[in-house]
Amino acid sequence: DQQVKQNSPSLSVQEGRISILNCDYTNSMFDYFLWYKKYPAEGPTFLISISSIKDKNEDGRFTVFLNKSAKHLSLHIVPSQPGDSAVYFCAARGNAGNMLTFGGGTRLMVKP
Amino acid sequence: GAVVSQHPSRVICKSGTSVKIECRSLDFQATTMFWYRQFPKQSLMLMATSNEGSKATYEQGVEKDKFLINHASLTLSTLTVTSAHPEDSSFYICSAFPGQGNNEQFFGPGTRLTVL
Repeated sequence: DQQVKQNSPSLSVQEGRISILNCDYTNSMFDYFLWYKKYPAEGPTFLISISSIKDKNEDGRFTVFLNKSAKHLSLHIVPSQPGDSAVYFCAARGNAGNMLTFGGGTRLMVKP
Repeated sequence: GAVVSQHPSRVICKSGTSVKIECRSLDFQATTMFWYRQFPKQSLMLMATSNEGSKATYEQGVEKDKFLINHASLTLSTLTVTSAHPEDSSFYICSAFPGQGNNEQFFGPGTRLTVL
């Protein structure tokens, strides 16, 4: 049973436009959500996070939105840059421990 | 941000040998470290949670005698793949959790294991 899902395996966006990556979860006990960026043969790099008590968190070009009622979060990147091309994983943490549950990832390709 | 290192970054070994992978938190102490495995074009799968000074907690389906985890200090956890076989070939990634109000896990660069 996949508790965290990223239904789009890939996304292609033109440079300068907005990239929107989506993530859905099923476990209502998740209280903290994170987005990681990963290049091939490298470990994930933390990007941005949001607590379940918030509905938005912004950091530069990156904004994460959380809709608790829909159990849905999204990552907005604007403007998108070619260097943003990578695989993006959303992850969720339950309130009982530090373990993260990862989604399947979305490969973002930003075309110049 | 916090830095986590892994060594080696790449290892090729013969079937039947054992391989040790080290995970170090370089600028912080980590009471908890995690070991993940990633197959090509798939997500990160948590293998086990490593707690300093105690036994690791393994996820369902992960053989604890196959994947030995030792977390002897607050900055070092090791994963030993014992009697490796070709199906153990994968990308192994560790992460460290600083705790103390910090909610993020910081990941190492990963280790590519190829078993011939």
